[in-house]
This record gives sequence, C-alpha cells and structure tokens, in this order.
Amino acid sequence: NAGVMQNPRHLVRRRGQEARLRCSPMKGHSHVYWYRQLPEEGLKFMVYLQKENIIDESGMPKERFSAEFPKEGPSILRIQQVVRGDSAAYFCASSPETGALPQYFGPGTRLTVT
Amino acid sequence: GENVEQHPSTLSVQEGDSAVIKCTYSDSASNYFPWYKQELGKRPQLIIDIRSNVGEKKDQRIAVTLNKTAKHFSLHITETQPEDSAVYFCAASRRDTGNQFYFGTGTSLTVIP
Repeated sequence: NAGVMQNPRHLVRRRGQEARLRCSPMKGHSHVYWYRQLPEEGLKFMVYLQKENIIDESGMPKERFSAEFPKEGPSILRIQQVVRGDSAAYFCASSPETGALPQYFGPGTRLTVT
Repeated sequence: GENVEQHPSTLSVQEGDSAVIKCTYSDSASNYFPWYKQELGKRPQLIIDIRSNVGEKKDQRIAVTLNKTAKHFSLHITETQPEDSAVYFCAASRRDTGNQFYFGTGTSLTVIP
C-alpha cells in the first residue's frame, strides 16, 4: 500500500559504515513492523514497535542492529558497522492499533554493502 | 516460535492450468494466514487471506483453504495466466502476541504461455 513510505529506496554502504533506514507508517498508524529479506529468500520478522516502545525484538540480531519509533517522525532501523551479509531488502508494515493486522508493506529499502 | 514450511519451492504450469501451493505451520494458536505475491524487485502484495474460523475463501481465480487440525493451508490459482508468474509467500500470525508475520520460504511460479 502506497501509504507506508520508506526511504531511502536504495542505500549503498561500505563495510564498517552505518546504515539508517526510515519507515513512515500510514496516517494514523502507531505500530510498525520491520522485516528483512535476504536475496532469494523469504521475509523474516525483525522487530515490532509502538510509538516510543519496542514490543517485540525477538527477530533482530542482538549486535549492531537497533530500532526506534519516536513520538514524532518515522521509525528508524539502524545497522552499525555493516557487513556484506547485511545486504538485503528491508520492508516495513504498519497497523493502527494493538491487534490490528499489518497487511500492507512499504516499498522497501534495498541495502547493498560493498 | 512459529515455523512455516512451504512447498514446492518452484512450480511451472501451462497457461490455463491450475497451480497449488501448500504450507504447514507449527503454532496451533496462529489464527491469521495471508498469502503474498512478490514480483522481482517489488514489495510483497497481499492477494488473499484467511482467518482460523473459516475453512475456505475464494476471490475470483484465487482460493485458499485451511485445515486447522492438520495445521495446513493451501493457495489455489485456477486458469493461470502469464501475469501470475511471481514468487508467492504464505505466512502465519497470531493476534495475541502482536500479529508478527512468519513467512514460508516462497514458491517461484512460472506460467508458460
């Protein structure tokens, strides 16, 4: 659904740099989900956030990855000291409230680590 | 956690034939099962979904069936067309833990004209 926005659409980073991916949910939505899709693989759940709160980060690597969803502004997925294995498409989805289904994905950010 | 398996990984059919993709899930508390179609370089698009209180749902050429006892659900595409060629993903989620989607590994469908 065009309502979920992500930027940048493409991001190239050298090994060791930081990557910041942004997700703006649909208007009125206060919950964001992040997924990672490695090349030629399925989507893997990473983290579920509500504004100012991480609900579930069970799918996110413990090191180098962090996520936030501040009271104002987009949700940010931050990857520190990127490695080649971080190259993937990162998608987010949003929902309006607890219990509502986050059915529609943003266009994704394709991260390439050189 | 939930584990979703999907078969086959690749599927080729002649135009006009039917295609069936099957998924199994492990968590009996999962209660929502969407199917997504993803074209190369694009985002996954929801094509049909089913909830655990329903056994079958149909939308034109696409149908989904759910067998809760067997923890199995399937996507059926009839009268396939070349534009159906894409990668299809099944997923499962449960409302009480936050509706995080757990995806299958995908089926690459090729419809041969």
